[in-house]
Amino acid sequence: KQEVTQIPAALSVPEGENLVLNCSFTDSAIYNLQWFRQDPGKGLTSLLLIQSSQREQTSGRLNASLDKSSGRSTLYIAASQPGDSATYLCAGEETSGSRLTFGEGTQLTVNP
Amino acid sequence: ETGVTQTPRHLVMGMTNKKSLKCEQHLGHNAMYWYKQSAKKPLELMFVYNFKEQTENNSVPSRFSPECPNSSHLFLHLHTLQPEDSALYLCASSQDPFFSGATYEQYFGPGTRLTVT
Repeated sequence: KQEVTQIPAALSVPEGENLVLNCSFTDSAIYNLQWFRQDPGKGLTSLLLIQSSQREQTSGRLNASLDKSSGRSTLYIAASQPGDSATYLCAGEETSGSRLTFGEGTQLTVNP
Repeated sequence: ETGVTQTPRHLVMGMTNKKSLKCEQHLGHNAMYWYKQSAKKPLELMFVYNFKEQTENNSVPSRFSPECPNSSHLFLHLHTLQPEDSALYLCASSQDPFFSGATYEQYFGPGTRLTVT
C-alpha cells in the first residue's frame, strides 16, 4: 500500500526566503505526482502536476521535481511571500486512473 | 458558476438527522470524487464515479450514500452519522481517469464543513 510522507509538518520562514518542501512515497512505482495548496477551511487548489514521463514542472515561483528512483518529490518556492502561507499537499497516483494517495501536508507560514 | 461548487458550505446535524451534500462541476469532466478530510489525517478517498457509474467505494460505512445522477452532479446522502464523522467533505472532478495514456488533474470544490452533534 502506497504511503506518502511530507516533511516538515510545519515551517515558518521570513518573507523573501527560498524554501523547499519534501514529499516521499514508499512505492517508487509512482505514475503522476500532484502538488496542491489548501487555505484554512477551504478546498484544494492544484499547483503542479508532474506526469509520468516528466521530472519537473515549473509555474511562476514554484518548481516541483520528481525522482521516482529515490521515491521523492520536492516543491521549491522562490522568494516566498505572506500570501504563500497555506498547507501544501502532495499526492501520488500509482497507475493511470488509479486513486490519489495524499500526504498529511506541510503547513507553511511566511512572516512579513 | 465556474469550477466545482459545493453546498452547503457548513452543516451541523444531529445523529438522527438525514441531510445531503451537493456537488456540481462546470468543467465538462466525466469523473467525480468524494473525499473526507479529518483533523491531523491525510485526505481519504471515499467514492469515485466515472460516467455516472460508481467505480470505487473505499470501504465507506453505509450511513454515507452517494448518488450521481449525471456527470455534472454528485450527492452524498447522510443518515444516522456519528460524531467522528465530523470533517471537511471535499468533492473533486477530473477527465476520465481510465482512458489509456491520459493524464489528468483533479479539481476540488471548497468543501462542506460537517459537524455531527
